[in-house]
Amino acid sequence: EIVMTQSPATLSVSPGERATLSCRASQSVSSNLAWYQKKPGQAPRLLIYGASTRATGIPARLSGSGSGTEFTLTISSLQSEDFAVYYCQQYNDWPNYTFGQGTKLEIK
Amino acid sequence: EVQLLESGGGLVQPGGSLRLSCAASGFTFSSYVMSWVRQAPGKGLEWVSAISGGGGSTFYADSVKGRFTISRDNSKNTLLLQMNSLRVEDTAVYYCAKAGSWLTPFDYWGQGTLVTVSS
Repeated sequence: EIVMTQSPATLSVSPGERATLSCRASQSVSSNLAWYQKKPGQAPRLLIYGASTRATGIPARLSGSGSGTEFTLTISSLQSEDFAVYYCQQYNDWPNYTFGQGTKLEIK
Repeated sequence: EVQLLESGGGLVQPGGSLRLSCAASGFTFSSYVMSWVRQAPGKGLEWVSAISGGGGSTFYADSVKGRFTISRDNSKNTLLLQMNSLRVEDTAVYYCAKAGSWLTPFDYWGQGTLVTVSS
């Protein structure tokens, strides 16, 4: 099983500032990496796939980068709606899909 | 507009059974891989099971293998999850999720249905 490790567990950032979230895979997943946003009581929302491609309707202030085992989600100029939990997921080792444990992005 | 609506959750005793349904609309259901993903209280997301568009290929996480059965009725645009021998640790919100194919992410998710396993 490919283990996905996210850091930090919690990130406190002020509105308008930049947030950088990390995700590491225990072995290479190529660029088959997605990022999701999860808010309480809501369905997860796909943000980024292919490590760096924004999903439909996702604003340009969100960007993804990386390949192999190291990935980053960057949110520039944080808005109130961006405060949530973020999960990375690898789909390279299908169908044994695995998620990271999540990073909670909270208001500082 | 893609819509996925889960139902069938509830309270069940350990060792019991439950069947979840996911009604899909807004896309050609039979053309897409579908999965179930769960989130236990205070925990992260865990993939549970997946099924091919035609239903001929099914896969399970080790944690549910032999106890859960995924299926689909393409004539009714419905995804199913039969859960038997339920354990306390199966308590979670269960989401159905659509994927483009096996090597793609989950692009649409339902709102989830809560399964509580408790005596």
